Amino acid sequence: QKEVEQNSGPLSVPEGAIASLNCTYSDRVSQSFFWYRQYSGKSPELIMSIYSNGDKEDGRFTAQLNKASQYVSLLIRDSQPSDSATYLCAVNRGGNDMRFGAGTRLTVKP
Amino acid sequence: EAQVTQNPRYLITVTGKKLTVTCSQNMNHEYMSWYRQDPGLGLRQIYYSMNVEVTDKGDVPEGYKVSRKEKRNFPLILESPSPNQTSLYFCASSPRDRGAYGYTFGSGTRLTVV
Repeated sequence: QKEVEQNSGPLSVPEGAIASLNCTYSDRVSQSFFWYRQYSGKSPELIMSIYSNGDKEDGRFTAQLNKASQYVSLLIRDSQPSDSATYLCAVNRGGNDMRFGAGTRLTVKP
Repeated sequence: EAQVTQNPRYLITVTGKKLTVTCSQNMNHEYMSWYRQDPGLGLRQIYYSMNVEVTDKGDVPEGYKVSRKEKRNFPLILESPSPNQTSLYFCASSPRDRGAYGYTFGSGTRLTVV
């Protein structure tokens, strides 16, 4: 089992729809959780962080964390073509131990 | 502008020819790290540094060296590159409390070893 698992996609949604990206992690001691957006050929860019159970909203983005289920998700409302990218889930297990998922590729179709 | 600067952006080299990829950050971050990114494998940590003169191995350190003589710089050295080190490399930095803040990534170095 991979430490951080994401559906590789591609996930395709129409413009204006809600995109839902999911991530599961294996280590229960994980403490903090991040979503990065990576455009093709570019570096990852931090877009959301979440540390406690529940929802965290920032503009069109909502991160959801359920530690009991070891599950993190990212919702993108009113998806735009400019949201088309690969989204990386990252989990900090404490200390120096940050683990990344392989990413989910999202395509938003006009 | 707060940033992590990597050079070069693209590099093609031959097997066995030593090379260095530079990384510099201007945010006074204590923590710096190198990752490689390969299709289907995601980001894998090569080496990291908690502060000046403190470095440690990540998950895939074989064939790489690093040094941290100054807080702002964290170069990645390939003493004898091989084709399996062809990859996209990222340098990243973070404040000391790395778990809380996430990383700032450099723009990446695409390395091809022939």
